[in-house]
Amino acid sequence: KQEVTQIPAALSVPEGENLVLNCSFTDSAIYNLQWFRQDPGKGLTSLLLIQSSQREQTSGRLNASLDKSSGRSTLYIAASQPGDSATYLCAVRESTNAGKSTFGDGTTLTVKP
Amino acid sequence: NAGVTQTPKFQVLKTGQSMTLQCAQDMNHNSMYWYRQDPGMGLRLIYYSASEGTTDKGEVPNGYNVSRLNKREFSLRLESAAPSQTSVYFCASTQNERDSSYEQYFGPGTRLTVT
Repeated sequence: KQEVTQIPAALSVPEGENLVLNCSFTDSAIYNLQWFRQDPGKGLTSLLLIQSSQREQTSGRLNASLDKSSGRSTLYIAASQPGDSATYLCAVRESTNAGKSTFGDGTTLTVKP
Repeated sequence: NAGVTQTPKFQVLKTGQSMTLQCAQDMNHNSMYWYRQDPGMGLRLIYYSASEGTTDKGEVPNGYNVSRLNKREFSLRLESAAPSQTSVYFCASTQNERDSSYEQYFGPGTRLTVT
C-alpha cells in the first residue's frame, strides 16, 4: 500500500527566508505528484503538478522537484511571505491503483513578519 | 467557470438522520471523487467515479453511498449518520485519472457535524 510522508509536520520561518518542504512516497509506480495549498477552513488549491516523466516544475516563487526512483519530492519556496502561511499537502496518483491518489498529512507553514 | 462546487457548506445532523451532499463540476471532467478529511488522518478516499456511469469504493466507503447523476454531478449520501462521520467532506475532479498530465481540482468542502 502506498504511503506518503511529509516532514516536517510544522515549520516556522521569518519573512524572506527560502525554505524546502519534503514529501516521500513508498511506491514509485505513479502517474504524477501534485502539491496543494490549504488555508484554514478552505479547500485544496493546486500549486504544481509534476508528471512521472518530469524532474521539476516551476511557478513563480515555487519550484517542485521529483525523484521517482528514490520516492521523494521537494517544494522550494523562495523569499517567503506571510501570505504563504498555510498547510501544504502532496499527493501521488498511483498507476497500479486505478489512478487513485494518496495524500500526505501536510506541512503547516507559518511565515512571521 | 466555477470549477467544483459543493452544497451545503455546513450541516449539523442528529445520529440516524440522512442527508445527501451535492457536488458539481463545470470543467467537463470524466473522473470525480469524494474524500473526507480528519485531523491526524489526512485525506481519505470514500468513493470515486472514473467515468459517467461507474462508481467504485475507496478506502473508507462504509456508511456511504454515491450516485453519478450525469457527467457533471456526483452526490454522496449518508443513510444513517453516525458521530464517526463528523468530518470535512471534499469533492474533487480530474479530466482523466489515468493521464499523468491532468491535475485534480477540489471543491470548497462541506463541514458536517453529527451529534
